[in-house]
Amino acid sequence: GQQLNQSPQSMFIQEGEDVSMNCTSSSIFNTWLWYKQEPGEGPVLLIALYKAGELTSNGRLTAQFGITRKDSFLNISASIPSDVGIYFCAGSIPGTYKYIFGTGTRLKVLA
Amino acid sequence: NAGVTQTPKFQVLKTGQSMTLQCAQDMNHEYMSWYRQDPGMGLRLIHYSVGAGITDQGEVPNGYNVSRSTTEDFPLRLLSAAPSQTSVYFCASSPSGRSYEQYFGPGTRLTVT
Repeated sequence: GQQLNQSPQSMFIQEGEDVSMNCTSSSIFNTWLWYKQEPGEGPVLLIALYKAGELTSNGRLTAQFGITRKDSFLNISASIPSDVGIYFCAGSIPGTYKYIFGTGTRLKVLA
Repeated sequence: NAGVTQTPKFQVLKTGQSMTLQCAQDMNHEYMSWYRQDPGMGLRLIHYSVGAGITDQGEVPNGYNVSRSTTEDFPLRLLSAAPSQTSVYFCASSPSGRSYEQYFGPGTRLTVT
């Protein structure tokens, strides 16, 4: 089946540093979504991307839909302690109503 | 709007028992879905629905049943619980099935002993 490879699996960074994570696949997707999940909570949508090449920002977060439609990345600038959590990418499979999720990037911010 | 609500928040079952996880949304969304999340893994799609009366299987449907009699509700039934179904279950909804943002409920943590 289709898979999303998300990297890195985990990151420990200092407060104020920038963060970059990405998702890649051998398959194309119509939509890329980025979520953040905190312990005991459901995933919360951060950014949605709809077109190849699209670059979208949400505050300190910036995400891009890869030109090949097979990848996406998320950047967080000037990280703060509340950025701690697990970040997931998800892609919608063309011609279906199904979404595939990556395995997540666990982010820890050291003050 | 309450968004997507799920009940119960926690549940412990014995092997072979049945139960229904409830999911409701008040946003008039057409599309609803169920996922399970296991440690170290992403969310995996169990079943989804593109509207009342229409359901289909996702990636891991075995052992689960769903129905969608109203736009608001999408319950997930475990017919005969197994330890392999120990997981956190999330319900999600979106305005439409294709290429729309999904909004998640808070989850149900299920343990099967």
